[in-house]
Amino acid sequence: DVKVTQSSRYLVKRTGEKVFLECVQDMDHENMFWYRQDPGLGLRLIYFSYDVKMKEKGDIPEGYSVSREKKERFSLILESASTNQTSMYLCASSSPEGQFFGPGTRLTVL
Amino acid sequence: LAKTTQPISMDSYEGQEVNITCSHNNIATNDYITWYQQFPSQGPRFIIQGYKTKVTNEVASLFIPADRKSSTLSLPRVSLSDTAVYYCLVAPFFSGGYNKLIFGAGTRLAVHP
Repeated sequence: DVKVTQSSRYLVKRTGEKVFLECVQDMDHENMFWYRQDPGLGLRLIYFSYDVKMKEKGDIPEGYSVSREKKERFSLILESASTNQTSMYLCASSSPEGQFFGPGTRLTVL
Repeated sequence: LAKTTQPISMDSYEGQEVNITCSHNNIATNDYITWYQQFPSQGPRFIIQGYKTKVTNEVASLFIPADRKSSTLSLPRVSLSDTAVYYCLVAPFFSGGYNKLIFGAGTRLAVHP
């Protein structure tokens, strides 16, 4: 089975802090993604990466950056967390069979 | 990317068959149709994927008519644990575009005893 893991299930940070969300997949997938999910807005794509050191902006990249130094790991970085970044963050990796999601990180920014 | 339209919510009872239909009128030739299931506080889980006609696996069936402008996810004999949000997505199977999946609001299925 494909396994996508995320570093934390729950995280509480303060406004202005730098936040790192880590995602690891064990299936040697080339493509990895970061989404955020908010009530009434569904899942929105923040960034995705189709290879090591490659990245592309999704629909809502503002306030975020990403890092893909190794194929299995894709990190989402909030340079200076703000309260409007309180959300559920979902990482995924993909193969031709579909996208496989991690359990999510519920981030609260106070 | 093809946009999809699904009912916002559906209700059913245990043991019944549930059919959720998704419209995707501007589906492209190289687009595939994929369905996901999501429980609260969890990531979406892949259910089934198809291109045309019918696809069946151990949990669901997917019916796609010849014009491919809609698709129907069929869940046989639902149980309470099938209460979840179901998403229909349409995207190219290959190329970088495949990865830019757009999740709509989904269909919230409630299964009652």
